[in-house]
Amino acid sequence: GQQVMQIPQYQHVQEGEDFTTYCNSSTTLSNIQWYKQRPGGHPVFLIQLVKSGEVKKQKRLTFQFGEAKKNSSLHITATQTTDVGTYFCAGGGSTLGRLYFGRGTQLTVWP
Amino acid sequence: NAGVMQNPRHLVRRRGQEARLRCSPMKGHSHVYWYRQLPEEGLKFMVYLQKENIIDESGMPKERFSAEFPKEGPSILRIQQVVRGDSAAYFCASLTTLRGLNEQFFGPGTRLTVL
Repeated sequence: GQQVMQIPQYQHVQEGEDFTTYCNSSTTLSNIQWYKQRPGGHPVFLIQLVKSGEVKKQKRLTFQFGEAKKNSSLHITATQTTDVGTYFCAGGGSTLGRLYFGRGTQLTVWP
Repeated sequence: NAGVMQNPRHLVRRRGQEARLRCSPMKGHSHVYWYRQLPEEGLKFMVYLQKENIIDESGMPKERFSAEFPKEGPSILRIQQVVRGDSAAYFCASLTTLRGLNEQFFGPGTRLTVL
């Protein structure tokens, strides 16, 4: 079945350092979405990428979708303590809304 | 516009009892998805429903689990004869396709503990 792998599982950084999480799918995706979950909270939608090679930015966050639509990355520049949480990628398949979540990358930011 | 609502937020059951989890999607949303999350794990898709119809239940265990989304009222995820392995956070999400996005809005989750 379809699988989405995400690395690393954990990342600890000092405030001000950059952070990147990577996502790979075993199959071509119709779209890739990214969510953030704070400790004890629920996933919150960040962005959706649809086009091959697409790059989108949200302030200090940069999202990329690979040319083959099988991999994606999220890069945070100059992390802040408010960035703490788990970042999930989720690949879209053929069924509307059916998402295949990666395991997530848990980001810890030390002040 | 209220967000996705789930209740109860915390549920404790003894082995063998039934757990009933409720989800009210955002107003105007007719697509509901249920996910299960184990500690420090990602979200595992369970079932996708539209009003009165199960569209995709391929992620749901064949036994003891059922889901419904009636014409009136919330979506219900029902777990019969719970076992310790059912302890997890259960999230529902509803979907909007506005602006060309397939954005899922997640509820706060129900944290089920089986003693």
